[in-house]
Amino acid sequence: KNQVEQSPQSLIILEGKNCTLQCNYTVSPFSNLRWYKQDTGRGPVSLTIMTFSENTKSNGRYTATLDADTKQSSLHITASQLSDSASYICVGDTGTASKLTFGTGTRLQVTL
Amino acid sequence: DSGVTQTPKHLITATGQRVTLRCSPRSGDLSVYWYQQSLDQGLQFLIQYYNGEERAKGNILERFSAQQFPDLHSELNLSSLELGDSALYFCASSVGNRNTEAFFGQGTRLTVV
Repeated sequence: KNQVEQSPQSLIILEGKNCTLQCNYTVSPFSNLRWYKQDTGRGPVSLTIMTFSENTKSNGRYTATLDADTKQSSLHITASQLSDSASYICVGDTGTASKLTFGTGTRLQVTL
Repeated sequence: DSGVTQTPKHLITATGQRVTLRCSPRSGDLSVYWYQQSLDQGLQFLIQYYNGEERAKGNILERFSAQQFPDLHSELNLSSLELGDSALYFCASSVGNRNTEAFFGQGTRLTVV
């Protein structure tokens, strides 16, 4: 059974600090691994998409890493801002829409 | 703004009722996907349409149905509603059949009372 597990469930950090969110996935067959940002009550917005051959990808202050051997991914946020407060969702993609596996997300709160 | 429009934004209805959620995809996108997000749960894929035809089905209940019209907008029909159907319902669209670059709408929050 395909699974995506994220940790921590929630995180509170001070503005300006860095943080790293973790994702362990079991997805077969593996097509790509994605990270989405979801503001409360809004739709998810894609941050990064990584295929098997990519082990790092950046989008501004967001950097995702992928270790296909250990089936782990991380999302690193640099110099956090209040607007980074959101849920961050890791998604495993088999290449079939019906087989997307979503994690339950890490809820990040950035405070002053 | 993702370009995907969902209406209504909020919906409150009673158990046993039927509702219709509407989604207009981004201009040029042929695929529409529907997802359900219950409280504290991950997004669950419901169904995909591509250019008017059903392309993939997820854990969609028999009480739920969807269709995509010739102008490519889609509707998700939820009937015999139960309290447990209360959730956020998201629509996403993509150009092709694959949803690698799918863009999500703002969602419809359904509350069944």
